[in-house]
Amino acid sequence: QKEVEQNSGPLSVPEGAIASLNCTYSDRGSQSFFWYRQYSGKSPELIMFIYSNGDKEDGRFTAQLNKASQYVSLLIRDSQPSDSATYLCASEGGFKTIFGAGTRLFVKA
Amino acid sequence: GAVVSQHPSWVICKSGTSVKIECRSLDFQATTMFWYRQFPKQSLMLMATSNEGSKATYEQGVEKDKFLINHASLTLSTLTVTSAHPEDSSFYICSARTWTSGGLRARGEQYFGPGTRLTVT
Repeated sequence: QKEVEQNSGPLSVPEGAIASLNCTYSDRGSQSFFWYRQYSGKSPELIMFIYSNGDKEDGRFTAQLNKASQYVSLLIRDSQPSDSATYLCASEGGFKTIFGAGTRLFVKA
Repeated sequence: GAVVSQHPSWVICKSGTSVKIECRSLDFQATTMFWYRQFPKQSLMLMATSNEGSKATYEQGVEKDKFLINHASLTLSTLTVTSAHPEDSSFYICSARTWTSGGLRARGEQYFGPGTRLTVT
């Protein structure tokens, strides 16, 4: 059974801090990894993808991938209250994309 | 990013009636479309995967005769909830995926529609 695991949270950080969201996956054959943000009552929105080991930066977001450890993370710098949402990690597992259950993030003003 | 539309955004129907939800990829051709259901404060649940021109593949526990999926073209998939009951009330979300890689796209990137909130009374 291919799985993507995330801590459900909630993760609470003060405004301006770095929020660190983590994810592990079980399928070593996965090539692409995604982070989605989902606000309450809305559908998921793609934030970033990564497929090479190392870091990938996009504005305040940095995705990190370590294939040897089967570990993906998302760092949000200078966290804002508007970043409060559920963050879904996903891996491309062949024909199917496997989603984690999501981590709820609260950014306190 | 790619745009996926979904219609209607919300619908209220009476128990026993059928409801059709449309999902369209507006600016790309989707090799595969997915249908998810999400209950309040719960995670996404994949219902089925559909490829253009072929039968949908349903996840375990999802009744294919109740949730009819048609993927008539590379830009349109429909989900019909037949003989809806109050327990079918949920947030239904479609997504579309392209299978290209390289450049700005990652293989298997999925783009979600805005969702349809179904309430069965």
